[in-house]
Amino acid sequence: GENVEQHPSTLSVQEGDSAVIKCTYSDSASNYFPWYKQELGKRPQLIIDIRSNVGEKKDQRIAVTLNKTAKHFSLHITETQPEDSAVYFCAASLNTGTASKLTFGTGTRLQVTL
Amino acid sequence: DAGVIQSPRHEVTEMGQEVTLRCKPISGHNSLFWYRQTMMRGLELLIYFNNNVPIDDSGMPEDRFSAKMPNASFSTLKIQPSEPRDSAVYFCASSLNRMNTEAFFGQGTRLTVV
Repeated sequence: GENVEQHPSTLSVQEGDSAVIKCTYSDSASNYFPWYKQELGKRPQLIIDIRSNVGEKKDQRIAVTLNKTAKHFSLHITETQPEDSAVYFCAASLNTGTASKLTFGTGTRLQVTL
Repeated sequence: DAGVIQSPRHEVTEMGQEVTLRCKPISGHNSLFWYRQTMMRGLELLIYFNNNVPIDDSGMPEDRFSAKMPNASFSTLKIQPSEPRDSAVYFCASSLNRMNTEAFFGQGTRLTVV
């Protein structure tokens, strides 16, 4: 089955700096890579996703890149703000023909300091 | 739509007792997922259903865990008998059965087994 590894497990940056979180996946058949943000005590929520026919996608201060050959993808947050502090999860989706199964990375706890 | 609804939000039970967690997916969604979240193991997929049929239960930790989806609007996850190591946050998520679509999470059930 799919295996997703995520690094780093914790990340501390100063407000205004950039943050980068990296993930690798094992199954070359995976073709959908969402990123979820989970604030303390709340549910994970999708913030951005990328499909395998795209190499990069941006949404304001957030961008994702995908390298299918190397089987890794990254989340970039620019001009970080205190409200970006949360746990971020990457995921890879393997479509089985009957449903899309999401496998998550272990999460990165991002702390944005003033 | 009110989103994915889980109940109860919190459950404290004694070791050995039966625990039943409930989930109502978003209307029209035909894929449903049960995840367990712990600090040590992150978000683990326990089981998922497509059109009320279990597709993959390889993540269910042991026979004490069982899940059902009797209809499109309701699913349960049961633990019997419960053990302290089952303490975690259990999330239910639903999505449309199309490739590469967002999974929407419920608020989660925080289970504590004492």
